[in-house]
Formats: sequence, C-alpha cells, structure tokens
Amino acid sequence: NAGVMQNPRHLVRRRGQEARLRCSPMKGHSHVYWYRQLPEEGLKFMVYLQKENIIDESGMPKERFSAEFPKEGPSILRIQQVVRGDSAAYFCASSFDKRDYGYTFGSGTRLTVV
Amino acid sequence: GQNIDQPTEMTATEGAIVQINCTYQTSGFNGLFWYQQHAGEAPTFLSYNVLDGLEEKGRFSSFLSRSKGYSYLLLKELQMKDSASYLCAVRFLSGGFKTIFGAGTRLFVKA
Repeated sequence: NAGVMQNPRHLVRRRGQEARLRCSPMKGHSHVYWYRQLPEEGLKFMVYLQKENIIDESGMPKERFSAEFPKEGPSILRIQQVVRGDSAAYFCASSFDKRDYGYTFGSGTRLTVV
Repeated sequence: GQNIDQPTEMTATEGAIVQINCTYQTSGFNGLFWYQQHAGEAPTFLSYNVLDGLEEKGRFSSFLSRSKGYSYLLLKELQMKDSASYLCAVRFLSGGFKTIFGAGTRLFVKA
C-alpha cells in the first residue's frame, strides 16, 4: 500500500510562471490537506479537500492559489504567476476520515522560484 | 484565535531524557498530536492525546492537560537519530475539523 505520493519532489520556476503540485492520497483516503512550510518554520495550513469538494480554504492566499481534488486523479495545488515568496516546501497529507488519529504526509514538493 | 507555543531549540545528550513542552490556546479542542520531522523530510506521526494523562509508546511518551492547555513529549534513552524537529499540532472544531501546527522544536542530540 503506497503512501501519500507527491510529485514533483523538486520544482524550479521563474517568476511569473505557473507551478502545479500533485498529490495522490493513500489508497482508500478521501481527505486531503495541503500545508506550506517556509525554511525554519512550522507547517501552515492551506486547504482541506474531499473528492470534488473544497471543505476549508481559509489558509489559501486570496489570489494566484487554487486547489482541486477531482473525482479521478490526484489533488492539484496550482500557483499562478509565482513570486520569490512562494518558494517553500509544500506538503500534502491524507486521512481516511476527518477524525483520524493522525495524518500521513507525502514527501513534499520543494518549490524554488528564481 | 488559535495559538501554539513550543521552544525553538533544545540540546540533550545521547542516552539522556528530554522533555519538549507545548502550550496552546484554542477553542473547540479535539486532540493534540506530536510529529517528528527530520531535515528535508516529511513529518511522521508520533502520538495523539485527546484525554488528560500520559500516553506511552516505547521510548516516547506524550502528556496532555486540557485545563492547562499544555502538553509535553518525553523522549527517553536518546539516540543520535532522534535529532530532528518535533512539531506539536492541535486539532479543533471550527466549522469542520482543522489541525494547526506549532513552529516546531529542533532537538540536537550530542554524543
């Protein structure tokens, strides 16, 4: 049973380009959470999704960021017109139920904006 | 608002015991988690407390006092591989369940 799969592991984008980060949850998990981690800082909640629904996006910046979790395929975190401040590690976690004991995290995508 | 505080860094000696504290302010509390994160890697789940008291799991134990908004992670018989960041996280109910993380405590284990 594969864990949470994120790709790419590393992503380099020039300012103004788009970044697409993918997350495939563990088999049987229908709850996906995205977190951002800046160097030397904790995880900041961004968005919580279930299949085809955004449950909580209170941590998402109002502009340039969007997320989806379609019926088929991985969850996608999309950042348009990236800026240097978007450089961070983006972690995805999944759970079977919203009240699960703990999340299983993917290995993260490290985005570098040059 | 919701807030989690934990020390930024701690240093301990191999074989010793170390206690990492976490205090939180939140409404709708629904559980406290500890995660371990090695540099450049994903966080991994260590423990979960929802009731007051001590939960023991091998060399690691976690304690919770809901009335004090306080938890600690106790690591015994420290090993060099325990050098990592330890993240305290709180789940609360706010229109739905949400989990927020503290900034983490970087633990350095020295020989």
